[in-house]
Amino acid sequence: EAGVTQFPSHSVIEKGQTVTLRCDPISGHDNLYWYRRVMGKEIKFLLHFVKESKQDESGMPNNRFLAERTGGTYSTLKVQPAELEDSGVYFCASSQWGRNQPQHFGDGTRLSIL
Amino acid sequence: AQSVSQHNHHVILSEAASLELGCNYSYGGTVNLFWYVQYPGQHLQLLLKYFSGDPLVKGIKGFEAEFIKSKFSFNLRKPSVQWSDTAEYFCAVRNQAGTALIFGKGTTLSVSS
Repeated sequence: EAGVTQFPSHSVIEKGQTVTLRCDPISGHDNLYWYRRVMGKEIKFLLHFVKESKQDESGMPNNRFLAERTGGTYSTLKVQPAELEDSGVYFCASSQWGRNQPQHFGDGTRLSIL
Repeated sequence: AQSVSQHNHHVILSEAASLELGCNYSYGGTVNLFWYVQYPGQHLQLLLKYFSGDPLVKGIKGFEAEFIKSKFSFNLRKPSVQWSDTAEYFCAVRNQAGTALIFGKGTTLSVSS
């Protein structure tokens, strides 16, 4: 079974530019999560999709971040405009339907804002 | 707010030494507990999880963890580490009402051969 795939693996952009991160979950996984790890800090939850619906977006830092999951398959996370503090590693995870299902993580996208 | 505390930022051990990584959480209700591991250049992988029942949980690669409710702790142990255990280890908590994982800051384990 293919795992969770994230693109790109690394992105370097200048402050003020726009970046879009993509996550392809494991096929058949209804739940999709985005997390972020800022250097030196813990991995923090951003939001949770169930199929195409946002179930919980309480962790989104501000309105410069927009997540979508059209069709309930892959998801994108857009940052516009990017700020220096947005640098970090963005992880995507997916799980099957059901509370006790484990979350499977992708390799992450390392985002560097200059 | 819920939080997870991992006591050690970096642990250095020789092969065959015993390992214990501390994890404490703050939440008064029922929780699910997890340990994830990230090997160099790889994605986060689930080592073990606790939902209910026997508080001593066995995971992959010889790891185990013990849930002590009175201490709000979920420490990870391994009797004899190997060089291949070099990785970053994350403790995580999820409360019964939510689906999001709340992570600790991680502990980097370096094992010398």
